[in-house]
Amino acid sequence: DVKVTQSSRYLVKRTGEKVFLECVQDMDHENMFWYRQDPGLGLRLIYFSYDVKMKEKGDIPEGYSVSREKKERFSLILESASTNQTSMYLCASSLPGQGLDYEQYFGPGTRLTVT
Amino acid sequence: QKEVEQDPGPLSVPEGAIVSLNCTYSNSAFQYFMWYRQYSRKGPELLMYTYSSGNKEDGRFTAQVDKSSKYISLFIRDSQPSDSATYLCAMNYDYKLSFGAGTTVTVRA
Repeated sequence: DVKVTQSSRYLVKRTGEKVFLECVQDMDHENMFWYRQDPGLGLRLIYFSYDVKMKEKGDIPEGYSVSREKKERFSLILESASTNQTSMYLCASSLPGQGLDYEQYFGPGTRLTVT
Repeated sequence: QKEVEQDPGPLSVPEGAIVSLNCTYSNSAFQYFMWYRQYSRKGPELLMYTYSSGNKEDGRFTAQVDKSSKYISLFIRDSQPSDSATYLCAMNYDYKLSFGAGTTVTVRA
């Protein structure tokens, strides 16, 4: 069974703080993703990584950065948290390739509140 | 315009009813069409996927894809309270997925 874990379920931070969200997967997946989920907007891709130290911007990368130093770990960094970054953050991983290899396995999410 | 449009609902139905969910999309390059189910306070899990136009059935669930109309549907027959969740359509043409907004479904006992 694929397991994707996220470091915190709930997080409250203050405006301007630097925030780290950690994600670990145990299935040796090459691809890892960070999404944010907001009501009425669905899941929006922030960043993804297709290999260690490799990253690509998704649809909404502004205000975020990522780090992937090891294959199993993908970190999302909010350099200076703002209230509009209050959201549910979901991490996912997948194998590379075609078809069902694209199935993304999601972690339970981190609900971040920035006050 | 969003690539994938999905009515966010919410949808409330009595137990045993048929639930009908749908999405439209604009990108004709999409190849794989998926439905994810997300229970409260959990991450999404893949429920069903299809590759081409047509129907696919899995127990009480049927997924339909009409590529000519750029329209996909999910039907849940004999709905159960355990089907209460948010259902998200998703589509891809590479290793990235585009998601709909999700429809929240409540099945009343």
